[in-house]
Amino acid sequence: DAKTTQPPSMDCAEGRAANLPCNHSTISGNEYVYWYRQIHSQGPQYIIHGLKNNETNEMASLIITEDRKSSTLILPHATLRDTAVYYCIVRVALRTGTASKLTFGTGTRLQVTL
Amino acid sequence: GAVVSQHPSWVICKSGTSVKIECRSLDFQATTMFWYRQFPKQSLMLMATSNEGSKATYEQGVEKDKFLINHASLTLSTLTVTSAHPEDSSFYICSARGTVNALVIQPQHFGDGTRLSIL
Repeated sequence: DAKTTQPPSMDCAEGRAANLPCNHSTISGNEYVYWYRQIHSQGPQYIIHGLKNNETNEMASLIITEDRKSSTLILPHATLRDTAVYYCIVRVALRTGTASKLTFGTGTRLQVTL
Repeated sequence: GAVVSQHPSWVICKSGTSVKIECRSLDFQATTMFWYRQFPKQSLMLMATSNEGSKATYEQGVEKDKFLINHASLTLSTLTVTSAHPEDSSFYICSARGTVNALVIQPQHFGDGTRLSIL
C-alpha cells in the first residue's frame, strides 16, 4: 500500500471548517483513500473513503485531486468533539477478497478551540 | 452503522497471568478481524490478521505463542495474552471487516479498545 504524509498537528476554531491535507503521491490506480479518526482513549472511527471522485457523507467531505496524489478531508463546521487524531490511509480495494490491512501512520492531531 | 464490541475495556492483573480479550461484530458477519496494539503517544501497530476458521497471520516481530488469536465464528475473535508481563501493558484494539461484496467496498470498523495494565 502507498505511504501517506500528513502534517503532525493543526488547530481550528470551533464553527469553522477544518481542512486536513494528505499527500499520497505514490498511490496506485486500484488504491482507495480512507480517513479514520481516533478520539483520545477510544478505537479509531471510520469517516469516509474514496477512489477518485469527491465524496460527502454526514460527517465530512473528501476532495481528491485529479491526479490522485493528494486529498483533503473537510469537516465543514468543526466542534470541540472533533478534536482527535486524523489518519489518512491508502489501501488496495478488496474486490478480490484478499485481506488488505490498514496501516496507520502518525496522523494529524486536530485541536478544535473555542 | 456497523458496531464492533470489545470486552473488557480495562483490565489490571499480576505478572504471569493470562488475559483474554473478546471482540464481537454486533450487526454484521466479520470474515476478517484484525488486532492492533497502541503504546502511549504512538500510532496503532497491527499485530495479526485472522480469517474465520483459519490460523491467524502475525506481523513480523509479534510472537504467536505469546498472543494467541482465535476466530472460531463470524462474529467473535479472541486475543489471549499469555503469561503477561509489564512490557505487555498497552492499549489493544480489535477491528472487523464484513464479507467482501463484489460491488461494495467494506470499511473496517474498530472496537473501543482494551487497556491492559500488568503489575
